[in-house]
Amino acid sequence: DAGVIQSPRHEVTEMGQEVTLRCKPISGHNSLFWYRQTMMRGLELLIYFNNNVPIDDSGMPEDRFSAKMPNASFSTLKIQPSEPRDSAVYFCASSWGEAFFGQGTRLTVV
Amino acid sequence: ILNVEQSPQSLHVQEGDSTNFTCSFPSSNFYALHWYRWETAKSPEALFVMTLNGDEKKKGRISATLNTKEGYSYLYIKGSQPEDSATYLCACLTGNQFYFGTGTSLTVIP
Repeated sequence: DAGVIQSPRHEVTEMGQEVTLRCKPISGHNSLFWYRQTMMRGLELLIYFNNNVPIDDSGMPEDRFSAKMPNASFSTLKIQPSEPRDSAVYFCASSWGEAFFGQGTRLTVV
Repeated sequence: ILNVEQSPQSLHVQEGDSTNFTCSFPSSNFYALHWYRWETAKSPEALFVMTLNGDEKKKGRISATLNTKEGYSYLYIKGSQPEDSATYLCACLTGNQFYFGTGTSLTVIP
């Protein structure tokens, strides 16, 4: 297995644009997590899914953020409209007994 | 939703000092406790997986203990170095559910 795959690895976008981050979990894993990491705020758990169902989205900062998991092999995190303060590294992780993390997407909103 | 708590949320120590922090979790239906080391903008590094009450694991200057009866794990760092600066994240596996703690942000001051 190639591990947890995130795309894109880097994204630079203008303020106000829609941004979609993608995550492909490891096959067979039943939980998926989205994290955001910044120097200012540190590590934040945004949302996690279990069996494709969102369990806890209390970490989603604003209505501009939304996450979906239409099937067991794919999840998206969307920001619409994006703002400069959304600039961060966004990590996805999947787990079944042990968690594995993707390489992250570095988002820069200018 | 399982409540996995870490304390302190953040700490600053001087280079050379030893330090420790705590991960607390409900002891019922416990399967395993994971510790991760997460540097900014990098994927987390798995440090330890512990399953048995009384388990102790060591990796260089970092060690961890587990008490499943009272529901806590300690992570110790001996002689902290600036390169130890990171967020240390614990996660608890119960049944087939994986629950992350909120992390302890460690800054080692040269």
